[in-house]
Amino acid sequence: GESVGLHLPTLSVQEGDNSIINCAYSNSASDYFIWYKQESGKGPQFIIDIRSNMDKRQGQRVTVLLNKTVKHLSLQIAATQPGDSAVYFCAEKTRGSQGNLIFGKGTKLSVKP
Amino acid sequence: GAVVSQHPSWVICKSGTSVKIECRSLDFQATTMFWYRQFPKQSLMLMATSNEGSKATYEQGVEKDKFLINHASLTLSTLTVTSAHPEDSSFYICSALGTLDTEAFFGQGTRLTVV
Repeated sequence: GESVGLHLPTLSVQEGDNSIINCAYSNSASDYFIWYKQESGKGPQFIIDIRSNMDKRQGQRVTVLLNKTVKHLSLQIAATQPGDSAVYFCAEKTRGSQGNLIFGKGTKLSVKP
Repeated sequence: GAVVSQHPSWVICKSGTSVKIECRSLDFQATTMFWYRQFPKQSLMLMATSNEGSKATYEQGVEKDKFLINHASLTLSTLTVTSAHPEDSSFYICSALGTLDTEAFFGQGTRLTVV
C-alpha cells in the first residue's frame, strides 16, 4: 500500500550543468538495464539501455555507466535543460526472465533555470 | 519506436464497482504484456505478466481474483479491477514486450480514483 510521507530522492541542478543520477541493483543475474524518464501523470519513457557485457553506452546528451563489480548504474545527462525535470528510474531485467522489469526507487531531477 | 496505448487515461468510480483498463500495442504484436501499479512518489511495482492465450502470472501479494487480466489477442490486454475500494486508487501502467524481447514499451498510464 501507499507509504505516507515517502519522498523520492531529489537532485537539484542548475540549467546547463551536468547531472548524474545513480542506481544500485541487487541481482547479479540481471543482464539488461534501462533508464526511464517519467513526467508527472505519464508512463515511463525510454532513455537509454545497456547490456551487461558493456560498461558504457552513449546517446544524445546521455551516458549510462555500468559497474557490475559493485552492482551500480549511473545516468549522466550533459547540459541539463528544464525539460529534463522528471523522475528517473533505472530498471533491470534478469537473464532468463520473461522480460519483466524490476524498477529502482527513482530520483527526482529538478532543473533550475 | 513502438506505440502502446492505454485507455482510459483516468477514471473515477464508486466503491464496489469494477473498472476495466485496456492496453493496446498499436503497431506491433505483443505476446507478453506487463501490468504495473504505482503509488504517489513511489516506483513501479509489477503486478502480473500477461501472455496471449494463457493465464496471467501474478506477483506475490497480488490477488488474481481482484485484478482480472485477459490477453485474448496479440494486441490487447485488459486489467479489470473488481469490487474496487479506495485503497485500489493508484496509477496503473502497462507495458508490452517488443518482438526482439528486449525493450518494453509503456503505455501512458491510467489514473484510477475510487470514491
